[in-house]
Amino acid sequence: QVQLVQSGAEVKKPGASVKVSCKASGYTFTSYDINWVRQATGQGLEWMGWMNPNSGNTGYAQNFQGRVTMTRNTSISTAYMELSSLRSEDTAVYYCARGFWSGFYSPFSYWGQGTLVTVSS
Amino acid sequence: QSALTQPRSVSGSPGQSVTISCTGTSSDVGGYNYVSWYRQHPDKAPKLMIYDVIKRPSGVPDRFSGSKSGNTASLTISGLQAEDEAAYYCCSYAGTYTWVFGGGTKLTVL
Repeated sequence: QVQLVQSGAEVKKPGASVKVSCKASGYTFTSYDINWVRQATGQGLEWMGWMNPNSGNTGYAQNFQGRVTMTRNTSISTAYMELSSLRSEDTAVYYCARGFWSGFYSPFSYWGQGTLVTVSS
Repeated sequence: QSALTQPRSVSGSPGQSVTISCTGTSSDVGGYNYVSWYRQHPDKAPKLMIYDVIKRPSGVPDRFSGSKSGNTASLTISGLQAEDEAAYYCCSYAGTYTWVFGGGTKLTVL
């Protein structure tokens, strides 16, 4: 079955960077886009960007341009999201999500369990 | 890109129907038929309930239905059940390979 397993919780200081991983199994990793979505405590969902694991092509939400980088390692079926210049407002649960079908316009049907990133001095 | 507008909360009694609206612009909701809805229980990952405005993934009860008129999409849940109590989020394609979510609606089953 399709599974997305994310790395564990992180605590970072303001100004630092964090890199969250998302290991895929149960399907061909390079066939489906990976999206990243975050959720601050008690707040709504916020789309951060997408990556095509086959080509490595990415697209980022305007709010994160210049601060986020999405990459992958196809040999271990793992996607990564790195967010830099962290500030307290970046404290949130970060999710990776896979499309229902192959292609960008697919809704997000499979989700990781979420990774809590806490930014605190 | 601004978040889509949803009511903060709605409520209904078991067996009743509720509708949650999701208002955007002609650049997102009104411009494409790529609206999806997600249900999220506390401390859980979201679950896809509706996609492409009106389609239901297999396993989602037909009590859930979606529609769209102009720049506003809607999710209707009929025959409310206790398990429907959750937060619901709409999501729309917003052009140039970007997506935007709504602010979320808390559904309370009375």
